[in-house]
Amino acid sequence: NAGVTQTPKFRVLKTGQSMTLLCAQDMNHEYMYWYRQDPGMGLRLIHYSVGEGTTAKGEVPDGYNVSRLKKQNFLLGLESAAPSQTSVYFCATAQGGEQYFGPGTRLTVT
Amino acid sequence: SQQGEEDPQALSIQEGENATMNCSYKTSINNLQWYRQNSGRGLVHLILIRSNEREKHSGRLRVTLDTSKKSSSLLITASRAADTASYFCASGGGSNYKLTFGKGTLLTVNP
Repeated sequence: NAGVTQTPKFRVLKTGQSMTLLCAQDMNHEYMYWYRQDPGMGLRLIHYSVGEGTTAKGEVPDGYNVSRLKKQNFLLGLESAAPSQTSVYFCATAQGGEQYFGPGTRLTVT
Repeated sequence: SQQGEEDPQALSIQEGENATMNCSYKTSINNLQWYRQNSGRGLVHLILIRSNEREKHSGRLRVTLDTSKKSSSLLITASRAADTASYFCASGGGSNYKLTFGKGTLLTVNP
């Protein structure tokens, strides 16, 4: 089992460009989350989903959109990237209290 | 806003010594969890302690929870160089299994 995978691993964008980050899981978990991690800031929740077809805002949702069309996939979109969105993005799933994390996507916006 | 705060921010010890990290949180919780993150990797769950528990052990890990003080501690005994990582506490109290993470403690274990 692959667990939680994220695509791509690295990406460099220019300001104003758009992109989609893909999170895929093979654990059949209902709950999925997108976080961003910045130096000295820990992890902050962007959006989350409690099941297929559902999404909800987290702590820092502005500038991001998400979709959960299939249970196993959770997509994070940046419509118009800004330098402030330079960060490492982590996807996680949960079944019960514990969360399972993907390896992360390092995004740089110039 | 970040609810959990770890202390210290960084800790450097020798192999074989014990490492203690502390975490404080602000609101009521259902559980408190600890995660480890190796450099450049995702977080890995270490241990979960529920709000009605005071202490929990897992291998070389010992976690305590004091809900009256809104604090938790993680003790790693007989540390190894492989324990070098960042350690995060995460409080779970909201709906939908959401967690609020602290800023982490960077532990360096010198061989």
